[in-house]
Amino acid sequence: EAGVTQSPTHLIKTRGQQATLRCSPISGHTSVYWYQQALGLGLQFLLWYDEGEERNRGNFPPRFSGRQFPNYSSELNVNALELEDSALYLCASSLGPASNQPQHFGDGTRLSIL
Amino acid sequence: GENVEQHPSTLSVQEGDSAVIKCTYSDSASNYFPWYKQELGKGPQLIIDIRSNVGEKKDQRIAVTLNKTAKHFSLHITETQPEDSAVYFCAASNGNNDMRFGAGTRLTVKP
Repeated sequence: EAGVTQSPTHLIKTRGQQATLRCSPISGHTSVYWYQQALGLGLQFLLWYDEGEERNRGNFPPRFSGRQFPNYSSELNVNALELEDSALYLCASSLGPASNQPQHFGDGTRLSIL
Repeated sequence: GENVEQHPSTLSVQEGDSAVIKCTYSDSASNYFPWYKQELGKGPQLIIDIRSNVGEKKDQRIAVTLNKTAKHFSLHITETQPEDSAVYFCAASNGNNDMRFGAGTRLTVKP
């Protein structure tokens, strides 16, 4: 069974540009979560999608947005990139919205802002 | 909101020794506590989890204990091996799928 896949592996942008990160969940999983992991720090919750709807959002500005497609894959969009957006962006998936389903992570997209 | 503290930030043990990592949480509504292992260049891998209706759970060399009254939970790794070297994260969730993570513990197992 394929795990969570993320693309691209690395992404280099400059300040003010826009970035799009993609995630494919484990087959059968309907919930997708996005996290930011800055260098040497823990994971910060960004967004949770289930059945195409945004279910919860972390403490991040509106320029962080996303969507979930009918096949449950998801995109994270970051507009007006700032230097401090440089981080590893991790996607996780779980079976569904029922509380406390185990989340399984992909290997992330390393976003570097020059 | 939930706040999770994790200690120690770094831990070095000899191969074969035990390693213990401790976490505390603040939200008494938290009821799910997973532990993740993150190797260099990889995403976090779920290694064990525990729910609030259980005090202890074991899986081979790994065990997790939960003290709801004190709001703390711990990861125990016995007979450590070099391949256990990684960063370990604890997390707590209050049922709204809003998972809060600790800052991580870098475990080094010396051969």
